[in-house]
Amino acid sequence: NAGVTQTPKFRVLKTGQSMTLLCAQDMNHEYMYWYRQDPGMGLRLIHYSVGEGTTAKGEVPDGYNVSRLKKQNFLLGLESAAPSQTSVYFCASSGRRQGYTFGSGTRLTVV
Amino acid sequence: AQSVTQPDIHITVSEGASLELRCNYSYGATPYLFWYVQSPGQGLQLLLKYFSGDTLVQGIKGFEAEFKRSQSSFNLRKPSVHWSDAAEYFCAVGALGGTSYGKLTFGQGTILTVHP
Repeated sequence: NAGVTQTPKFRVLKTGQSMTLLCAQDMNHEYMYWYRQDPGMGLRLIHYSVGEGTTAKGEVPDGYNVSRLKKQNFLLGLESAAPSQTSVYFCASSGRRQGYTFGSGTRLTVV
Repeated sequence: AQSVTQPDIHITVSEGASLELRCNYSYGATPYLFWYVQSPGQGLQLLLKYFSGDTLVQGIKGFEAEFKRSQSSFNLRKPSVHWSDAAEYFCAVGALGGTSYGKLTFGQGTILTVHP
């Protein structure tokens, strides 16, 4: 059972570069989320999706874009990376009345 | 807006001692509540969840939590801590309906250190 798979696991970017983080789930979950985790700040919601083709902003959406073209995939894009986006990014998915299933995270450093 | 407060940033206990991690939430409607655990370098694992019914819920690894509506709390407990319980613990609150359905708000986390 793969659950939620995030790629890549680690990445170093230069300021201004772009990249896409991929999240894939095999549980047929309707809901998918992207969070960032920073020391002392817990997890903060970036964007989320309640179904294929739909996305919505979370608590900290600036500088990020998302797409959910297929139910099982949720992509997070950084168009022009900034040092403030150095963080650990977690993807999660859930069904109705269920807790989240998390991926193992992507550690991103922007220099 | 929903919010979660975990008052204790860091807790240290001895192996075999009892544990209680505090969680207070703020939410206007009926919440659903979760506790997650995160080991270093890992993702978050669900320990237990509360939707409705019995206010004392049992989870994995011998953990339990009690929902107290009057105190807006959902504290996590374990009667006897093992060294392998050392990790960071997150409380989360979510909505059962409306436009916020499915979205969880997390507390800042409590780091648990276990002394032998």
